[in-house]
Amino acid sequence: GDSVTQMEGPVTLSEEAFLTINCTYTATGYPSLFWYVQYPGEGLQLLLKATKADDKGSNKGFEATYRKETTSFHLEKGSVQVSDSAVYFCALRALAFGGTSYGKLTFGQGTILTVHP
Amino acid sequence: DTGVSQDPRHKITKRGQNVTFRCDPISEHNRLYWYRQTLGQGPEFLTYFQNEAQLEKSRLLSDRFSAERPKGSFSTLEIQRTEQGDSAMYLCASSLSRGPTYNEQFFGPGTRLTVL
Repeated sequence: GDSVTQMEGPVTLSEEAFLTINCTYTATGYPSLFWYVQYPGEGLQLLLKATKADDKGSNKGFEATYRKETTSFHLEKGSVQVSDSAVYFCALRALAFGGTSYGKLTFGQGTILTVHP
Repeated sequence: DTGVSQDPRHKITKRGQNVTFRCDPISEHNRLYWYRQTLGQGPEFLTYFQNEAQLEKSRLLSDRFSAERPKGSFSTLEIQRTEQGDSAMYLCASSLSRGPTYNEQFFGPGTRLTVL
């Protein structure tokens, strides 16, 4: 079945440090890939997405590139801020060969990011 | 522009009791999803609807769980004879089924269930 594996956390960084959170996946068909973020006390928010190989999703200084050859979608940010402290989830949505869209998202276990001033 | 809303936000119940949660999706969204999230884990898919039709159910959705979306708008998730293992955050999400943003699911704040 479909699955998403994220790097073990938690991740603790100083402000302005470079961030990478690794995400790899297994899926049938051609999945779309997502990063969601959950700030303390808030619901899940879509951070960025990529729908086909070599697409780069970006938002709020975060980037991730859909790498089909390595089945990866690593999240990066060049300079993190204290306000980036949150839980980050990688997710996929499978798409069948015939183009039929399956509804569900499959999530990784989440990575807790803490940024210190 | 209102987002996805869920009610109640918190529910504490005793083992064996029935509970029902409600989700109101974004008004023009025809797809609605239920997920369950336990502490330290990512959300796990439970079921989803397109309009009023329930199109997919996870094996996680035991016979004690039932979901409805009678008029294709709001949805309810009922858990009968609750067990302590049902304690979790229940998340609802909605999306469009076509268009440039159809892949994007928008999540509600969740209902946190505690079974004593």
